Amino acid sequence: DQQVKQNSPSLSVQEGRISILNCDYTNSMFDYFLWYKKYPAEGPTFLISISSIKDKNEDGRFTVFLNKSAKHLSLHIVPSQPGDSAVYFCAASSASGSARQLTFGSGTQLTVLP
Amino acid sequence: DSGVTQTPKHLITATGQRVTLRCSPRSGDLSVYWYQQSLDQGLQFLIQYYNGEERAKGNILERFSAQQFPDLHSELNLSSLELGDSALYFCASSVVNGNTIYFGEGSWLTVV
Repeated sequence: DQQVKQNSPSLSVQEGRISILNCDYTNSMFDYFLWYKKYPAEGPTFLISISSIKDKNEDGRFTVFLNKSAKHLSLHIVPSQPGDSAVYFCAASSASGSARQLTFGSGTQLTVLP
Repeated sequence: DSGVTQTPKHLITATGQRVTLRCSPRSGDLSVYWYQQSLDQGLQFLIQYYNGEERAKGNILERFSAQQFPDLHSELNLSSLELGDSALYFCASSVVNGNTIYFGEGSWLTVV
């Protein structure tokens, strides 16, 4: 049972336009959400996060939106640049006793076309 | 550079063999996590250690084991290797039970 789903395996966007990556989750206990970016043969790199008490968090060209009622989050990249081409993973976290662990989605390959 | 160091970067070994992957967490981080990424698969959580003790277990096979040492480095031991164990193995670390974890560059294991 996939608790975190990224239904679009790939997305292509023209340079300068907006990229919107989507993520859905099923576990209502998740209270912290993150986006990671991954280039081939490298480890995932933390990009941006949001707590469940917020509905928006912005960092430069990256904005994450959280819709708790729909159990949906999205990552907006504006403007998109060719260097943004990578696999983007969303992840969700919940506390389990004294431990926290991240559950990752399957990733979306973003290609920004020059 | 995340500050998480993994060795070796690449490893090729035969079926039935045993390998050890090593991870040094970021300075000050007490929690270490291991993840597996197979071809066309997402990141699968294997196991978490905190300050030397196992804290959480995910989809880790019985043939796999891990430990975290007093100096906080961690090792993932993979034994009786099968072709399907070929994957990228990532280590990550965080401060205590931090919400954000930071990944190393991974160890690419190929079983032939």
